[in-house]
Amino acid sequence: RKEVEQDPGPFNVPEGATVAFNCTYSNSASQSFFWYRQDCRKEPKLLMSVYSSGNEDGRFTAQLNRASQYISLLIRDSKLSDSATYLCVVNMRIQGNQGGKLIFGQGTELSVKP
Amino acid sequence: GAGVSQSPRYKVAKRGQDVALRCDPISGHVSLFWYQQALGQGPEFLTYFQNEAQLDKSGLPSDRFFAERPEGSVSTLKIQRTQQEDSAVYLCASSLQLPGLAGYETQYFGPGTRLLVL
Repeated sequence: RKEVEQDPGPFNVPEGATVAFNCTYSNSASQSFFWYRQDCRKEPKLLMSVYSSGNEDGRFTAQLNRASQYISLLIRDSKLSDSATYLCVVNMRIQGNQGGKLIFGQGTELSVKP
Repeated sequence: GAGVSQSPRYKVAKRGQDVALRCDPISGHVSLFWYQQALGQGPEFLTYFQNEAQLDKSGLPSDRFFAERPEGSVSTLKIQRTQQEDSAVYLCASSLQLPGLAGYETQYFGPGTRLLVL
């Protein structure tokens, strides 16, 4: 079983739609949680961190449920420019680095159409 | 300021050939990570350096993979006797993460080297 699991999609939605991505992780020792965005043939870029209390950044809302080991991302009023792959990421502690290494999910592809 | 750079951006190798991939991290960043991203998959951790010390190489898929960072700045990932299954994008990331500093610091990724083994 993969450590971080996501629905690979693709999700095809019209502009203005609300879309939700879900993710589960298997290691309860995971320290911190993120959503990254990756455009085609580009490197991953941090979209937002995810906190237990839930957090919002403009049209994006992320939530974490540690008990269920579940992470979500909600995108409201989707734009054409939101088309990308969204990677669910957890951070695992490694020797000598309190910051840890990143464990990525497979990614969920989003395509927003006019 | 300059971000993480990697070279070459593209590499085509014949099966059995050795390759070397270079990463220039953000100046002053202590931590350096290598990840491998196969087509349609998320990146997978390969190895981690804190300055010149390689503290975790648990993700290296075989002993054909070797990484170094001799002066604690530039890093090279070397793959010997390349195989077709080595075809992937190799991503380098760096962070300021200081030894003993608790908590996560953002990893900044380079553009990657796209390796194709024929």
